[in-house]
Amino acid sequence: EIVLTQSPGTLSLSPGERATLSCRASQTVSNSYLAWYQQKPGQAPRLLIYGTSRRATGIPDRFSGSGSGADFTLTISRLEPEDFAVYYCQHYGSSPRYTFGQGTKLEIK
Amino acid sequence: QLQLQESGPGLVKPSETLSLTCTVSGGSISSSGYYWGWIRQPPGRGLEWIGSIYYTGSTYYNSSLKSRVTISVDTSKNQFSLRLSSVTAADTAVYYCARRTIAVPGSTLDVWGQGTTVTVSS
Repeated sequence: EIVLTQSPGTLSLSPGERATLSCRASQTVSNSYLAWYQQKPGQAPRLLIYGTSRRATGIPDRFSGSGSGADFTLTISRLEPEDFAVYYCQHYGSSPRYTFGQGTKLEIK
Repeated sequence: QLQLQESGPGLVKPSETLSLTCTVSGGSISSSGYYWGWIRQPPGRGLEWIGSIYYTGSTYYNSSLKSRVTISVDTSKNQFSLRLSSVTAADTAVYYCARRTIAVPGSTLDVWGQGTTVTVSS
């Protein structure tokens, strides 16, 4: 079973800054099956990125995903106030089974 | 626009069975283009996939919960359901239902319900 480890646990930045969030898998995974979600308090997760780098419908282009092998990154180029939230990476496959990382909290500095 | 809505008891006693239903509106659960799933989130913690189902009834379960989980689909009601037996306080969580679009290559859970809180307590 693949384990996803996200770092850092908490990231403190200011609006306008660049955020870089990391997700490391316990073994090599397919680029086709790595996603990122944003979750705000009291809300369901929202899909941001799938297939490592494909933005989901309606997601602003300040959000980008990259990576390969076992190391993946979510980058937010210029933080907006509404971007402060918890972010989860997710591994999945062609069958509907899913594993989530433990999350990174992005907080306002 | 497709929407998902979870429903069920908010309080379940220890050792009993948790039962939740997800109602799909704005689309058909019988479409061959989707998988349907359940995910939960204990208070203050991360997300855990519970299981998934296809409209034909094919199921996929998290191995850590498999012995206690049953997911079923009722195409006549456009619903799918979760049953989790022998619950303990560790099963207290917000339970989400979600959809995965098969037709989009590489896509994953892209539409989520708002979630329903289930507390296990006597």
